[in-house]
Amino acid sequence: KAGVTQTPRYLIKTRGQQVTLSCSPISGHRSVSWYQQTPGQGLQFLFEYFSETQRNKGNFPGRFSGRQFSNSRSEMNVSTLELGDSALYLCASSVEALRDTQYFGPGTRLTVL
Amino acid sequence: AQTVTQSQPEMSVQEAETVTLSCTYDTSESNYYLFWYKQPPSRQMILVIRQEAYKQQNATENRFSVNFQKAAKSFSLKISDSQLGDTAMYFCAFMRSGAQKLVFGQGTRLTINP
Repeated sequence: KAGVTQTPRYLIKTRGQQVTLSCSPISGHRSVSWYQQTPGQGLQFLFEYFSETQRNKGNFPGRFSGRQFSNSRSEMNVSTLELGDSALYLCASSVEALRDTQYFGPGTRLTVL
Repeated sequence: AQTVTQSQPEMSVQEAETVTLSCTYDTSESNYYLFWYKQPPSRQMILVIRQEAYKQQNATENRFSVNFQKAAKSFSLKISDSQLGDTAMYFCAFMRSGAQKLVFGQGTRLTINP
């Protein structure tokens, strides 16, 4: 089975722009979670989608949003980018139950200049 | 809120040695899951091992095993016969039952020297 895929792998944006990151889960997985990884804050949970609905949300401002499509693919969007949004954004998928293990993609490295 | 603490920012051992990474967590939940993930320089986060809190038996996966002490809220990872490919950041993570949300520790950078 193919793993979790994320596109693009690298992205450079400037302050004030917006960005959309994409995540395709493992085939058969219906839950997709997003995490932000920075040297200062470590790994932090952004949100989780299941069946096209946001099921869990972390403590991030409203500039961070996401969605999930009927084929379980997910996108996250960051509007009005700030320098502090520079990070590795990781997507993880799991089958569906709220006890299932999450499997991660390779991440998207976002740099905001 | 749950917290996860990894007290060893960095560790270094020789190839073939055994190494133990520490993790403690704080929660009032009774049903939860604990994980160890490794993140090599390639950045891909890879599951190492998973432990269900309701299971008394410690999980093992080949050279990897855990020492789960529920009362002490401790969850250490033992790597036996360490290999160069074990060099990575290791993250301890907590997930309460009923929420697909991982809470991570700050990580331990493990280096295996030849």
